[in-house]
Amino acid sequence: GNSVTQMEGPVTLSEEAFLTINCTYTATGYPSLFWYVQYPGEGLQLLLKATKADDKGSNKGFEATYRKETTSFHLEKGSVQVSDSAVYFCALIRYAGGTSYGKLTFGQGTILTVHP
Amino acid sequence: GAVVSQHPSWVICKSGTSVKIECRSLDFQATTMFWYRQFPKQSLMLMATSNEGSKATYEQGVEKDKFLINHASLTLSTLTVTSAHPEDSSFYICSAAALDRPQPQHFGDGTRLSIL
Repeated sequence: GNSVTQMEGPVTLSEEAFLTINCTYTATGYPSLFWYVQYPGEGLQLLLKATKADDKGSNKGFEATYRKETTSFHLEKGSVQVSDSAVYFCALIRYAGGTSYGKLTFGQGTILTVHP
Repeated sequence: GAVVSQHPSWVICKSGTSVKIECRSLDFQATTMFWYRQFPKQSLMLMATSNEGSKATYEQGVEKDKFLINHASLTLSTLTVTSAHPEDSSFYICSAAALDRPQPQHFGDGTRLSIL
C-alpha cells in the first residue's frame, strides 16, 4: 500500500536559518505529492503540491521537488521566520477515479519551532 | 477565506452524552467528505469516507455505531459521537472534496472534543 515517511522531529531553528524536512514515499503508479501545514488548534492548510516527476511546488518561500528516482519530496526554505512554527505534513494521493479524489496518505508530521 | 466550516470548534461534555459535529462546504458542492481523528502530536487518522446520499465507508477498527456519519447533502456532513467517554476525547477534523477543486481536500479547522 501507499506510505509516507517524514524525518522525525521536533525541529528547532533560529530565525533566518535554512530548513529541510525530509519526506520519502512508497506508492504504485504516479501519485501527486503535497505538503500541508497545521498551526496550533487549527486544521490543515495546503502549502504546496506537485503532480508529476520533476515538478517543483513553491509557496511562501517554501519549495519541494518531486523526485521519482529517489521517491522523495523534501521541503526546504532558505530563511525561516518565527511565524513558520507549526506542524508540517507530507502527503500523497492516488486518484481513485469515479467522481472524487482518493484518500490522502499522510506522514507522521514534523513539529517545527523557530526561535527569534 | 475558509471554504470548509466545522462547528463547534470546541466542546466539553459529560461522559455518556452524544455530541454532533457539523462540517459544511461553503462555496462548492462536496462529492465526498472525510472525517479524521488526531491525537496530540500525531498524524491524522482517517476514520471514514462519506459520499452524499450513501452510507459512509469506515476504516478498519472504527466503530460504526460509536461514530455515526450522515452526509445528507452536498454541502453538509455530520459526525455524531454517541455515548461519548473520556477515551473519545480528541481533535476531529473534516475535509471536503470535489473533482473540480484545485486541491484534493479542503480541511475544516477541527473540533476539540473533551469528555469529562
